[in-house]
Amino acid sequence: EVQVVESGGALVQPGGSLRLSCAASGFTFRTYEMHWVRQAPGKGLEWISYISGSGDFVNYGDSGKGRFTISRDNVKNSLHLQMDSLRAEDTALYYCVREKRDANNFGSFDVWGQGTLVTVSS
Amino acid sequence: QSVLTQPPSASGTPGQRVTISCSGSSSNIGGNRVNWYQQLPGTGPKLLIYSTDQRPSGVPDRFSASKSGTSASLAISGLQSDDEADYHCGAFDASLNAWVFGGGTKLTVL
Repeated sequence: EVQVVESGGALVQPGGSLRLSCAASGFTFRTYEMHWVRQAPGKGLEWISYISGSGDFVNYGDSGKGRFTISRDNVKNSLHLQMDSLRAEDTALYYCVREKRDANNFGSFDVWGQGTLVTVSS
Repeated sequence: QSVLTQPPSASGTPGQRVTISCSGSSSNIGGNRVNWYQQLPGTGPKLLIYSTDQRPSGVPDRFSASKSGTSASLAISGLQSDDEADYHCGAFDASLNAWVFGGGTKLTVL
């Protein structure tokens, strides 16, 4: 079964750090681009970060630039998000997401986990 | 504030057809394909429509979608109680070099 399972969410104080992980299974992990997407309580989805299959290329949304670092381990089939200088507005459910490309190379997010909750509060 | 604009809520009765709109700009919907996601209560999102109008395997043909200019829409026909969920549109924005989403539409089946 194709699935991704997030972990690492916790209650952290403002200014603190947290490392999220995502374990992938059921597919050839290294051949897929991966993303982190978050959802604040009662809000819509917000794209956070992207990483290529090889890990050579990354991209960040404005919310995470300079504070978050995405990485992957294609031997252990895992994805990570290092989050530093956390703020109250980073409080959200963080999803690990697989991107699929169609025949015309257009992307969509076809596999989502259940999310891991990050709460930033003193 | 989401880059794509969706109505916060929509509703319909069983058997009815409902549509949900998603408005953007030339840098996202106008110049790229649109994806739709269904999020049932308490669960992660699920890909419902990809590449503007394509259904993944297993998604009933009651769900359809289209795009015109800088707006897209999702239509659900033969509405069922199981369709009660949040629906999110998403697209890549070439100007922002980022994936963007709408704020989500909560569909209620009356």
